[in-house]
Amino acid sequence: AQTVTQSQPEMSVQEAETVTLSCTYDTSESDYYLFWYKQPPSRQMILVIRQEAYKQQNATENRFSVNFQKAAKSFSLKISDSQLGDAAMYFCASYPSHGSGNTGKLIFGQGTTLQVKP
Amino acid sequence: AAGVIQSPRHLIKEKRETATLKCYPIPRHDTVYWYQQGPGQDPQFLISFYEKMQSDKGSIPDRFSAQQFSDYHSELNMSSLELGDSALYFCASSLAGGVGEKLFFGSGTQLSVL
Repeated sequence: AQTVTQSQPEMSVQEAETVTLSCTYDTSESDYYLFWYKQPPSRQMILVIRQEAYKQQNATENRFSVNFQKAAKSFSLKISDSQLGDAAMYFCASYPSHGSGNTGKLIFGQGTTLQVKP
Repeated sequence: AAGVIQSPRHLIKEKRETATLKCYPIPRHDTVYWYQQGPGQDPQFLISFYEKMQSDKGSIPDRFSAQQFSDYHSELNMSSLELGDSALYFCASSLAGGVGEKLFFGSGTQLSVL
């Protein structure tokens, strides 16, 4: 079974500064994906970034990047140059590859609420 | 670009009533997932379908049923509604079977049971 843990219920950052959200996971799968999703007050679930476990290179999407430590089962999200629009709940999630024989349901962490201060 | 469409956006029901939630996946996506998100909680997986067949089942009550139709849209049927069923219900779709699956979520249906 997979588990995802986000140990920071709330974080805050000053506008234009950098913040890192933590996530650890546990899986017995050999191949899997990791995601960060953003859920603003509208409650729309928006994909922020995706990491393929077999790739050592950390994924990057504009101001968003991850620090993927496979051996430590850690997957943190770094938001650079924070903007007011980044304020939201952020969910870390894991997803086993279909190639591993699983149907690939997404397992979410508990979420981290990010506040951006002007 | 087309996204996952869910209807209705909001639904208010009384206890013991029945509700039907609909989900229209992104065109060419063959896999649909249903999630339930209670207030202040993370989304919980309910059920998924791949090529119109149930592919996985999570913490879905027996009072709920779902199916995926020939046009790949999916419906979640909820009977004998209880107060605890009040939640945001997400549908997500993906293109299964290949490398690099991404789940794309709809805007959700907010169900309130009174």
